[in-house]
Amino acid sequence: ETGVTQTPRHLVMGMTNKKSLKCEQHLGHNAMYWYKQSAKKPLELMFVYNFKEQTENNSVPSRFSPECPNSSHLFLHLHTLQPEDSALYLCASNPGEGHYGYTFGSGTRLTVV
Amino acid sequence: QQQVKQSPQSLIVQKGGISIINCAYENTAFDYFPWYQQFPGKGPALLIAIRPDVSEKKEGRFTISFNKSAKQFSLHFKDSQPGDSATYFCAASRETSGSRLTFGEGTQLTVNP
Repeated sequence: ETGVTQTPRHLVMGMTNKKSLKCEQHLGHNAMYWYKQSAKKPLELMFVYNFKEQTENNSVPSRFSPECPNSSHLFLHLHTLQPEDSALYLCASNPGEGHYGYTFGSGTRLTVV
Repeated sequence: QQQVKQSPQSLIVQKGGISIINCAYENTAFDYFPWYQQFPGKGPALLIAIRPDVSEKKEGRFTISFNKSAKQFSLHFKDSQPGDSATYFCAASRETSGSRLTFGEGTQLTVNP
């Protein structure tokens, strides 16, 4: 384990469902990130939280809604997704903006049917 | 606009051989260049990183070569083993952007026994 835990590991959902992805870190890091990983594409940064405050939304559709209740937890709420949203969603944490030591979780493999 | 381009997309080497993966970047403000290794079902993990004030960095079997004038950097590792089979990502970041990583597309490495 890297210290960043993501649940669930796998998720299959219909286009009308609502689900949430969870990320938890106990590394004492202050920055947390959501990345989307699709086959044959670079990792795409979705959201950045620094000290619980969202500091970046990288033009992500509103059907993805992040939540960061504290520095240790990060959620990604999903609703009315499309099949092209199927991907591996990775959470990462960092001691803080300006630090380079990213730690990634193992990801949630999402399939939208 | 793809800021970090990685090649090749896939690479097959024999056990004991040398693996070389190349990356090119466009933004001269980047000041940190890490390589990540990702095994199936896992998130990316930091392998080795370099800053532009040095032209080469070695850690064990892994070496990063950096050419600032050409805006290129590469990962070399000798004595490749089947356990090295994974996807490798180069990335780049700059302190003024909060150290957010921009990733290459990834190279799937297969080391045959």
